[in-house]
Amino acid sequence: AQSVTQLGSHVSVSEGALVLLRCNYSSSVPPYLFWYVQYPNQGLQLLLKYTTGATLVKGINGFEAEFKKSETSFHLTKPSAHMSDAAEYFCAVSEGYNQGGKLIFGQGTELSVKP
Amino acid sequence: DGGITQSPKYLFRKEGQNVTLSCEQNLNHDAMYWYRQDPGQGLRLIYYSHIVNDFQKGDIAEGYSVSREKKESFPLTVTSAQKNPTAFYLCASTNRGRGETQYFGPGTRLLVL
Repeated sequence: AQSVTQLGSHVSVSEGALVLLRCNYSSSVPPYLFWYVQYPNQGLQLLLKYTTGATLVKGINGFEAEFKKSETSFHLTKPSAHMSDAAEYFCAVSEGYNQGGKLIFGQGTELSVKP
Repeated sequence: DGGITQSPKYLFRKEGQNVTLSCEQNLNHDAMYWYRQDPGQGLRLIYYSHIVNDFQKGDIAEGYSVSREKKESFPLTVTSAQKNPTAFYLCASTNRGRGETQYFGPGTRLLVL
């Protein structure tokens, strides 16, 4: 069964500092991986995804993530945090469409940005 | 503008009452999903549907029911059998194919009176 683990339920950084949110997955098939962001009382918005090809994926708002098969990781980074980045971030792995196509989510990481 | 709408934004349920959450999409997506979100637990799948008049149970279907009479609509009913319904409910849709992006609605927060 596929699973996702996000290390750290809460991460706090200073404005301008590096953002690093960790995600490890387990999957019996080549994974399709996603990062979503959620602002309070809102739905989820896709930040970026990895399907095939280049392992360094760039997303919206200056975020990027690198797929490392040997480490089963898909960590999310941003070089310089902005106050508007404060939100909850979810890593997810996709099951195949024939298995329902559902997303398996990690528990989420809440990012706080200090001025 | 294409997207997913959910209504109402807030819903209050009395003891023993069934309530229905609405989800509509105009993205022409085949597949639709309902997730439940609880603090610190991520999102968990309740039901999904790949085609009209067909749907499948997810990981936590007990106490919930759905219908898919139209491609664009996938309402979720929280029945009185769901003993702990307080949560944030999110609807999503996607096209066929693995790796396709799931697009989410704004959510409905269900509270018990």
